Amino acid sequence: DAKTTQPPSMDCAEGRAANLPCNHSTISGNEYVYWYRQIHSQGPQYIIHGLKNNETNEMASLIITEDRKSSTLILPHATLRDTAVYYCIVRDSFTGGGNKLTFGTGTQLKVEL
Amino acid sequence: NAGVTQTPKFQVLKTGQSMTLQCAQDMNHEYMSWYRQDPGMGLRLIHYSVGAGITDQGEVPNGYNVSRSTTEDFPLRLLSAAPSQTSVYFCASSYPPGHNSPLHFGNGTRLTVT
Repeated sequence: DAKTTQPPSMDCAEGRAANLPCNHSTISGNEYVYWYRQIHSQGPQYIIHGLKNNETNEMASLIITEDRKSSTLILPHATLRDTAVYYCIVRDSFTGGGNKLTFGTGTQLKVEL
Repeated sequence: NAGVTQTPKFQVLKTGQSMTLQCAQDMNHEYMSWYRQDPGMGLRLIHYSVGAGITDQGEVPNGYNVSRSTTEDFPLRLLSAAPSQTSVYFCASSYPPGHNSPLHFGNGTRLTVT
């Protein structure tokens, strides 16, 4: 699986949009981009994923560049409860390779008043 | 649905003791995996399974054994605990890789080895 690079930390004011970048320049054509977050010491929580099109769900939006070498997770109206570590990972879509996920150290997002 | 259930939540062992961390899922997921997380670090894959009867090593498998006799359960065994195995352990499950196969994680087992 391709490796990802994320900034170690970001701050965001409550109510504003939080834009979390991720670089995955070695991503291959069959790899999906997944985003998870980990609040305090709980288990990671799935947020959103995509292949090459932009995606939106009730939690967030995912913008993937046309060359697929980077993506941005957008939390449109961040709240204090969104303070967490956010992980961007890529996952092979083929059986056998798709379970060897590489979690980096993620981005610590701090949402402040 | 309960999702992914891990037991126990906390455990303290002495060096050399053995124990089994339990993981069960009720979503009929074929894929299951174990990760450990150490302070300031991301998750590292220990072992994984792509189905009942099939297991394979991840990034940091030494000191751990797994088996997968049923789809629902994927226990992680520490044969002789060492202080270096003090960590938080997460179990995860998913459908096979594909369009819609996010991992579902348990809430972790916090293990201290003295």
